[in-house]
Amino acid sequence: GQNIDQPTEMTATEGAIVQINCTYQTSGFNGLFWYQQHAGEAPTFLSYNVLDGLEEKGRFSSFLSRSKGYSYLLLKELQMKDSASYLCAVRLHSGNTPLVFGKGTRLSVIA
Amino acid sequence: ETGVTQTPRHLVMGMTNKKSLKCEQHLGHNAMYWYKQSAKKPLELMFVYNFKEQTENNSVPSRFSPECPNSSHLFLHLHTLQPEDSALYLCASSQLAEQETQYFGPGTRLLVL
Repeated sequence: GQNIDQPTEMTATEGAIVQINCTYQTSGFNGLFWYQQHAGEAPTFLSYNVLDGLEEKGRFSSFLSRSKGYSYLLLKELQMKDSASYLCAVRLHSGNTPLVFGKGTRLSVIA
Repeated sequence: ETGVTQTPRHLVMGMTNKKSLKCEQHLGHNAMYWYKQSAKKPLELMFVYNFKEQTENNSVPSRFSPECPNSSHLFLHLHTLQPEDSALYLCASSQLAEQETQYFGPGTRLLVL
């Protein structure tokens, strides 16, 4: 089976930095995605990593280590609107194959 | 607004009812997906359509019946559902190409009584 693990919940303070980890053990690997999902809304795409290293996009960065089966999403200068669930997802194979998702991490940003 | 719309946004139905969920994408994509999101569980893939052809059925019970009349529209027909089918049903679309991102609709929150 496919296994993608993320912490269930995290809390962080406005203006701070938070790192959300994701580890995966899957039958294949062709890229890792991070999505943000506010309550009652659609998941929205944040980042994509297929090679090792850090991808930076404004306040959000995502890191991948394929040898360790590990990724993290880094959120800087946290804002209240960043309170949401963050979903880690792995594409197993090349081509247009569906994603396998983790359970998501619910992040609460407090003042 | 992601370019993927779903209707209805909320649905309450009895176990003997028949209803349909609708998804429409305005992004020119040629692949569409149905996912189920239950509380405390990961997003689960249900069906995949590439160029209107179903390419994946992830062991979904026959009480869920998908239909894809064209690349822009996707339906999920529901009949004789069970209370455990209550969940958020998400539609997504993508371009049929390597490493293309999936874009999600807002979902239909379904409650089966």
